[in-house]
Amino acid sequence: AQRVTQPEKLLSVFKGAPVELKCNYSYSGSPELFWYVQYSRQRLQLLLRHISRESIKGFTADLNKGETSFHLKKPFAQEEDSAMYYCALRGGRGGANSKLTFGKGITLSVRP
Amino acid sequence: DAGVTQSPTHLIKTRGQQVTLRCSPKSGHDTVSWYQQALGQGPQFIFQYYEEEERQRGNFPDRFSGHQFPNYSSELNVNALLLGDSALYLCASSLEWGNEQFFGPGTRLTVL
Repeated sequence: AQRVTQPEKLLSVFKGAPVELKCNYSYSGSPELFWYVQYSRQRLQLLLRHISRESIKGFTADLNKGETSFHLKKPFAQEEDSAMYYCALRGGRGGANSKLTFGKGITLSVRP
Repeated sequence: DAGVTQSPTHLIKTRGQQVTLRCSPKSGHDTVSWYQQALGQGPQFIFQYYEEEERQRGNFPDRFSGHQFPNYSSELNVNALLLGDSALYLCASSLEWGNEQFFGPGTRLTVL
């Protein structure tokens, strides 16, 4: 079975502070990990995926297979980062393995 | 391209009724997945359609069924509605071997 755990529901920081949104997963094989974001009144959209090893809007996430974690980090938070963030796991790239398993999400609030 | 579209936006039904939700995928996409998002939870996978067949199914009862049409659009049907079926229903489209699922805005179903 595959499972994604986001242990916190809310993270509130001041503008310019570092941010770390935690994500742990359980999966027997080699999963693909994603972070999705939902800004107010917008649809769910992909923020970044571990296989791309990219930085999007200043966010990065490293897959740690030993700790089964995929934490999302940003060194200096901006007010426009305020949103709901979901960590998601997929067992394979395509075919019958392509379903996404989501965590419960965390609300990031960045105060001025 | 309007991206993934869903209809209706909101729907109110009573217990025991049946409902049909509709989804049009992003242009060029051939795979449609449906998710249920209860309040305060992450999206939960219902099922996925490819080539007009249900390819993968999550842990949902048979009251939940679907269909995919030759133009790749899809419907989600829920019979014998329960209060617990109240949720946001999300549709996501992708390429069969693609790396990213694109989400629609969702249909908010309220069961009274």
